[in-house]
Amino acid sequence: GAVVSQHPSWVICKSGTSVKIECRSLDFQATTMFWYRQFPKQSLMLMATSNEGSKATYEQGVEKDKFLINHASLTLSTLTVTSAHPEDSSFYICSARGTGRGLLTYEQYFGPGTRLTVT
Amino acid sequence: GEDVEQSLFLSVREGDSSVINCTYTDSSSTYLYWYKQEPGAGLQLLTYIFSNMDMKQDQRLTVLLNKKDKHLSLRIADTQTGDSAIYFCAERTPSNTGKLIFGQGTTLQVKP
Repeated sequence: GAVVSQHPSWVICKSGTSVKIECRSLDFQATTMFWYRQFPKQSLMLMATSNEGSKATYEQGVEKDKFLINHASLTLSTLTVTSAHPEDSSFYICSARGTGRGLLTYEQYFGPGTRLTVT
Repeated sequence: GEDVEQSLFLSVREGDSSVINCTYTDSSSTYLYWYKQEPGAGLQLLTYIFSNMDMKQDQRLTVLLNKKDKHLSLRIADTQTGDSAIYFCAERTPSNTGKLIFGQGTTLQVKP
């Protein structure tokens, strides 16, 4: 149980275009999802927290108009990087927290990550 | 503020024990975690410890918590080449959001 998937696993896009990354909880209902960004050989930096059906809460310094987060259902959250630039190239990881059989309450279950390269 | 620090690199020989250390600043943290990340992959929860515990053992993994010094360690017994990865310690904030604050990660290299 507690499987989180991300799609795509990697994507290359041209500068100026937008790219959408999906995060799905496959076998549980995710009431809260988190989006992280990880630079090479560095730690995970929390970008935003989203609760199903409400607006995401962004961390200080994260541009909400650039990183659009939608958590429209209990199993899906999307992160759209708008007008991407090379400096947006990074590894984006989502995690989900929710309720379900066998789940640890309040624990975050991580997706495998999406490698974004902007050329 | 909240801050988690780890040493960046550890190299051990196969069969030896590995000890990865972590310090944190938020004394109100409720849970402390160890995650493993293999190249190009997401994070795998290895183990966690509640803040009122001193020690937790799970097979080859032993977590020690010194709350007074805000020091957390992960010991891996009989380290194998498959243990080579980056290990992150993280603390959970006591706020309603339950955010995780991660350390920089310790790269564990296991030599055969």
